[in-house]
Amino acid sequence: DSGVTQTPKHLITATGQRVTLRCSPRSGDLSVYWYQQSLDQGLQFLIQYYNGEERAKGNILERFSAQQFPDLHSELNLSSLELGDSALYFCASSESGAPYNEQFFGPGTRLTVL
Amino acid sequence: GQQLNQSPQSMFIQEGEDVSMNCTSSSIFNTWLWYKQDPGEGPVLLIALYKAGELTSNGRLTAQFGITRKDSFLNISASIPSDVGIYFCAGPPSGNTPLVFGKGTRLSVIA
Repeated sequence: DSGVTQTPKHLITATGQRVTLRCSPRSGDLSVYWYQQSLDQGLQFLIQYYNGEERAKGNILERFSAQQFPDLHSELNLSSLELGDSALYFCASSESGAPYNEQFFGPGTRLTVL
Repeated sequence: GQQLNQSPQSMFIQEGEDVSMNCTSSSIFNTWLWYKQDPGEGPVLLIALYKAGELTSNGRLTAQFGITRKDSFLNISASIPSDVGIYFCAGPPSGNTPLVFGKGTRLSVIA
């Protein structure tokens, strides 16, 4: 158990819908990272927040957005969903904002868009 | 964008055998990280390497930071069934950029 929690574990929805994925980092960690894992693309970095502020952005679509709240939990919002958005979405956390520090991954949310 | 190439993509080995896998990049990395992902779980950090030429062990796992700083190697000795999973290399392409992950090496161990 990494100490990072993600909800829900599974999510099935239809194209065009909007969903919210939630992540709670390990106690004391200030950074939260979101990744997308699909079969053909591996783990792709989406976005990082550090202590409530956006720190780095990867290949995140404009239809996706995220935020980190004062209690440090984070939400990833995915809208106008397409079939190709079906993937595993992981949240990771680390103590500091430096990317080379150890990141602890949550168990993931499996999103299926039908 | 930056890519890390891992090989082999997959491997099937007998329990007790040693395993070697590697990761290469077209540019220099200053940090190499090796993660393992069990089925249905998130990746877990196995070994972190911070200096060219560094050799670090974690139990039966040994990883090396290549001297060119463009590659890294992971060896597993005397494999056991619980070594099954996907092994990823990762690193920040430059000091403060987000991690880039390889596509993984899928390891299967036959008892």
